[in-house]
Amino acid sequence: DTGVSQDPRHKITKRGQNVTFRCDPISEHNRLYWYRQTLGQGPEFLTYFQNEAQLEKSRLLSDRFSAERPKGSFSTLEIQRTEQGDSAMYLCASSLVGQGDEAFFGQGTRLTVV
Amino acid sequence: SQKIEQNSEALNIQEGKTATLTCNYTNYSPAYLQWYRQDPGRGPVFLLLIRENEKEKRKERLKVTFDTTLKQSLFHITASQPADSATYLCALDNDMRFGAGTRLTVKP
Repeated sequence: DTGVSQDPRHKITKRGQNVTFRCDPISEHNRLYWYRQTLGQGPEFLTYFQNEAQLEKSRLLSDRFSAERPKGSFSTLEIQRTEQGDSAMYLCASSLVGQGDEAFFGQGTRLTVV
Repeated sequence: SQKIEQNSEALNIQEGKTATLTCNYTNYSPAYLQWYRQDPGRGPVFLLLIRENEKEKRKERLKVTFDTTLKQSLFHITASQPADSATYLCALDNDMRFGAGTRLTVKP
């Protein structure tokens, strides 16, 4: 499978715990996005990378959220001290800017904070 | 900051009719606009991209228009089928901010 993959698909965690999600983009794609989506809403932009550089981070994100993309390949999204309001689907997408530009999404990681 | 609005949360139509979805934006002049389809529990899937110098683009039963004066894109599905039922999202160029989406239901 050469699409975008996300791991894990589902995560249940207790409030206050830290969680980390991984995204493997399509290999030649230089841009990588993270989104959060709750039921009935569109994907909410969190952050994006151009290669290994994090170019933008949503003001909606608290300091509990951090993302990395070492070496411009896979990316991780960490949420520290999770809260019940963090329960959502976390989506990753990648694109090759300047070559079509359309984004390809992974299946997402569904986080439930109990 | 830029804002994207999709005309309605839900649209119900009869099979065979044309569905028309609207995406409006403000405070921005995108170089292109994208439309995606999302089914429940899955990530969005790219459908069409239209650039600012293109008035209209077609793909099979899909048609997208882009009016940079009105700051609006229309997304049409002709001869709609129940399998077209999904949420449709628009996004502004590689800024990749999405609207809230319109949930389309095509009734047989």
